[in-house]
Amino acid sequence: EAAVTQSPRNKVTVTGGNVTLSCRQTNSHNYMYWYRQDTGHGLRLIHYSYGAGNLQIGDVPDGYKATRTTQEDFFLLLELASPSQTSLYFCASSDLGANYAEQFFGPGTRLTVL
Amino acid sequence: AQKVIQVWSTASRQEGEELTLDCSYETSQVLYHLFWYKHLLSGEMVFLIRQMSSSTAKERSGRYSVVFQKSLKSISLVISALQPDDSGKYFCALWELENNNAPRFGAGTKLTVKP
Repeated sequence: EAAVTQSPRNKVTVTGGNVTLSCRQTNSHNYMYWYRQDTGHGLRLIHYSYGAGNLQIGDVPDGYKATRTTQEDFFLLLELASPSQTSLYFCASSDLGANYAEQFFGPGTRLTVL
Repeated sequence: AQKVIQVWSTASRQEGEELTLDCSYETSQVLYHLFWYKHLLSGEMVFLIRQMSSSTAKERSGRYSVVFQKSLKSISLVISALQPDDSGKYFCALWELENNNAPRFGAGTKLTVKP
């Protein structure tokens, strides 16, 4: 069974705080993604990666950094958190192939910035 | 600019009815995938069905099927015999396959199925 895990599941921090969201996949997928989900906007792409050491900028990257340390691990860093970054964050993995390409999502991290 | 548009933010049906959720998209690429996902009330995001741009087959998975109108850049999700457990938020996604792109999502449609 494909698996994507995220930690922490819930996080509360203050404005200006430093937050790291972690994601690990055991699917042997090359692609990994970070999205944020907000009402009225759906899932918006923050950063993504197609392999260890690779990083691609998504549609809403401001205020976020990301690192892909291994094929399994993808981190999202908020170095100076702001209330506008309060959101539900999803990590996902996928791969391209003839018969599959769907994303497998983690359970999400709910982040609150006070 | 928004690449994936889901016009209806909410929908409500009775158990046993059929529902069509609409999605339109923008792309200039020839090869792409389209997906439907469901965000469960439990928080889990699950894959429902996929349509490849190169395929003319009518995709179906259990009670889910799609209506793909490539020339109109439209893909609809049809859910038959609705059950209360079908309640949740449904997202359409577009993955353009050129240039190491990534899937983009619409804003979603929240469905409520009443017993």
